[in-house]
Amino acid sequence: GENVEQHPSTLSVQEGDSAVIKCTYSDSASNYFPWYKQELGKRPQLIIDIRSNVGEKKDQRIAVTLNKTAKHFSLHITETQPEDSAVYFCAAISGSARQLTFGSGTQLTVLP
Amino acid sequence: SQTIHQWPATLVQPVGSPLSLECTVEGTSNPNLYWYRQAAGRGLQLLFYSVGIGQISSEVPQNLSASRPQDRQFILSSKKLLLSDSGFYLCAWRGTGPGPQHFGDGTRLSIL
Repeated sequence: GENVEQHPSTLSVQEGDSAVIKCTYSDSASNYFPWYKQELGKRPQLIIDIRSNVGEKKDQRIAVTLNKTAKHFSLHITETQPEDSAVYFCAAISGSARQLTFGSGTQLTVLP
Repeated sequence: SQTIHQWPATLVQPVGSPLSLECTVEGTSNPNLYWYRQAAGRGLQLLFYSVGIGQISSEVPQNLSASRPQDRQFILSSKKLLLSDSGFYLCAWRGTGPGPQHFGDGTRLSIL
């Protein structure tokens, strides 16, 4: 089955700096990769996703890149703000799978 | 549009008492449904998933059970709660095929 590894587990950046979170996956058949943001005490919310036929996707300050050959994908947040502080989860799934496989999460702290 | 309802939001139960958490989805048919548990500061642990009425797959052996009596209803139950059952329980749904998964607001369960 799929295995997703996520690094780093914690990340602190100064407000205005960029943050990068990286994930690797094991199943070469995986073709959909979402990212979730979970604020303290709240539910995980989808912030961006990418499919395997695309190498990069951007939405304002957030971007995701996918390298299918190396089987890794990354979340990039530019011009970080204190409200970006949260736990971020990556995930992967293949067409034949029944459930997403999640990474272990990254606690991002944006220091004012 | 699709919505997911999960209740109650918080629950305090004594050890050995029964449990019933309910989740319903609106605006979609034949969704894949999931129950996750999240310990404080930890990742998402998949407990059960269902691809159709009466079809339940268990990911982790434990004293919990799940049922899907209707297409858009998913119930998590226990006959006797343990202290280790404390946590944040999240219901989620996803359409068939690789695509986004959406979470309910969660139930924070405390066992005394």
